[in-house]
Amino acid sequence: DTGVSQDPRHKITKRGQNVTFRCDPISEHNRLYWYRQTLGQGPEFLTYFQNEAQLEKSRLLSDRFSAERPKGSFSTLEIQRTEQGDSAMYLCASSLVRGTTNEKLFFGSGTQLSVL
Amino acid sequence: QKEVEQNSGPLSVPEGAIASLNCTYSDRVSQSFFWYRQYSGKSPELIMSIYSNGDKEDGRFTAQLNKASQYVSLLIRDSQPSDSATYLCAVIYSGTSYGKLTFGQGTILTVHP
Repeated sequence: DTGVSQDPRHKITKRGQNVTFRCDPISEHNRLYWYRQTLGQGPEFLTYFQNEAQLEKSRLLSDRFSAERPKGSFSTLEIQRTEQGDSAMYLCASSLVRGTTNEKLFFGSGTQLSVL
Repeated sequence: QKEVEQNSGPLSVPEGAIASLNCTYSDRVSQSFFWYRQYSGKSPELIMSIYSNGDKEDGRFTAQLNKASQYVSLLIRDSQPSDSATYLCAVIYSGTSYGKLTFGQGTILTVHP
């Protein structure tokens, strides 16, 4: 069973450095989502892709954040000039959406980012 | 600001008891509601979805939706220590794309032997 895979699992970086995370969705899934979760809170939506097109971005996603999904397969989330407030679990999820059918969202194990 | 509110707990119940988890949401016309379970350090796992008023049962889990009161709940019957986790309520608000979930802060459930 190849679920949603995220890499790395943990990332420790110094403030001001750039970091990049990768997400590999379930292979036939056409939608891919990024969420962020801080301790004691539920996940917050950041952005999502339908195939390779980025269709929506949350206002939480500042100019320092950029996400891509080239060729509609894996996705990367880059954070430039990291700040301590960026420390969180970054979760990727994918789903298969056909027409108006609601499909189940599958989450990856997340990347835990710590900014020192 | 569209919100989903949960009591953060912790909620502690003895093994075999019924655990009752509650959630309120702010948008009256929301259509889709979900309960996720999250073990410490793990990703959220969908356990129930509900779209219509009333009850929906799946094994030991029952989701209840009351759109007039903007209230959704999750009952866990015959609670087991393995049910100890954080339970997240999530809502898809009207006019938003499927998959764009708004989560509550989660309720920590502890089931003690």
